[in-house]
Amino acid sequence: GQSLEQPSEVTAVEGAIVQINCTYQTSGFYGLSWYQQHDGGAPTFLSYNALDGLEETGRFSSFLSRSDSYGYLLLQELQMKDSASYFCAVKAHQGGKLIFGQGTELSVKP
Amino acid sequence: DVKVTQSSRYLVKRTGEKVFLECVQDMDHENMFWYRQDPGLGLRLIYFSYDVKMKEKGDIPEGYSVSREKKERFSLILESASTNQTSMYLCASKEGASYEQYFGPGTRLTVT
Repeated sequence: GQSLEQPSEVTAVEGAIVQINCTYQTSGFYGLSWYQQHDGGAPTFLSYNALDGLEETGRFSSFLSRSDSYGYLLLQELQMKDSASYFCAVKAHQGGKLIFGQGTELSVKP
Repeated sequence: DVKVTQSSRYLVKRTGEKVFLECVQDMDHENMFWYRQDPGLGLRLIYFSYDVKMKEKGDIPEGYSVSREKKERFSLILESASTNQTSMYLCASKEGASYEQYFGPGTRLTVT
């Protein structure tokens, strides 16, 4: 089968750094995406990694190791507004279809 | 800005009713998707469409069908709603070669 594993919840304090891991087992692999979803809101795209290494976008970075079937989302200088659910998603086919993880609920405390 | 709209934010239907969920996108995207989201299960793909009148089953198509008569509109149909279809339904669209999916606000469907 195809599966993605990520922690169900993470708690951190304002100003800290937090890493959300994602391991995947899929029949194919074209890239790993991350989405953010605030409570009651729609998921919004954060990042996409097709190749190994680190991609940085402001306070957020995303890393991929294809040999380890592993990636992570790194959030720096945490703010209260970063409290949300974060989903990793694998593009396992050449088309647009994504397979999503179950999501990690991040709580940022003052 | 890409806009994906869904016909209702909240919907309550009775068991056995036929239910239509509508999704419209305004950016001429080729690909459109229907997901359901349940606590602890993430987003699961029900159906997707990569062109008008084209559709493909996702991971959990049972009990659902879809229609795409126009490029901007993708409808999800529950032929005979059941209580286990109570869920949040999310529509998304994507430009052909892009990797970014744009989501609508979701429809929270309750089947009683």
